[in-house]
Amino acid sequence: GQNIDQPTEMTATEGAIVQINCTYQTSGFNGLFWYQQHAGEAPTFLSYNVLDGLEEKGRFSSFLSRSKGYSYLLLKELQMKDSASYLCAVKDSNYQLIWGAGTKLIIKP
Amino acid sequence: SQTIHQWPATLVQPVGSPLSLECTVEGTSNPNLYWYRQAAGRGLQLLFYSVGIGQISSEVPQNLSASRPQDRQFILSSKKLLLSDSGFYLCAWSATGRDTGELFFGEGSRLTVL
Repeated sequence: GQNIDQPTEMTATEGAIVQINCTYQTSGFNGLFWYQQHAGEAPTFLSYNVLDGLEEKGRFSSFLSRSKGYSYLLLKELQMKDSASYLCAVKDSNYQLIWGAGTKLIIKP
Repeated sequence: SQTIHQWPATLVQPVGSPLSLECTVEGTSNPNLYWYRQAAGRGLQLLFYSVGIGQISSEVPQNLSASRPQDRQFILSSKKLLLSDSGFYLCAWSATGRDTGELFFGEGSRLTVL
């Protein structure tokens, strides 16, 4: 079966750095997405990785290792507004998105 | 610029009543359209997707149905709601022919079936 694993919840301090991991087992791979979702709102796109390596976009970076079936989202200089759920999703061989359950990130002052 | 809207934002319905959620996209043509359901603590579940007018693919057998009467309109319906239909419903679109296939989501509709 297809599976996306990410921690259920993480806590971090304002101004710090946090890394949210995602491991996947899918039938084929055509890219990995990270989305941010604030409570009660729709997900918004953060990043897309299809090749191995690190993609940096401001305070957010996303890393991919296809051989390990592993990705992480790195958030730097955390702000209170970063409190949200972070969803990992993989596009499989049929170009269908398989979604993880999301990681709820709690930022404390 | 492209926008997506879905409504209503919130609704409370009795068991056995009908449902109609509507979604429209503006600023693009021939989008791929999707209906997802999100249950608490679980990943997004794809319900239906459409690559063109009248073309609907169902991912999960259930008492819901979808229709695409116009290029940029996607409707989710039910004739008789069940308690298990409660959840957060999200409409989304993606552009055809793009490498990333990034999804853009509507605001969401929270359905409570009592």
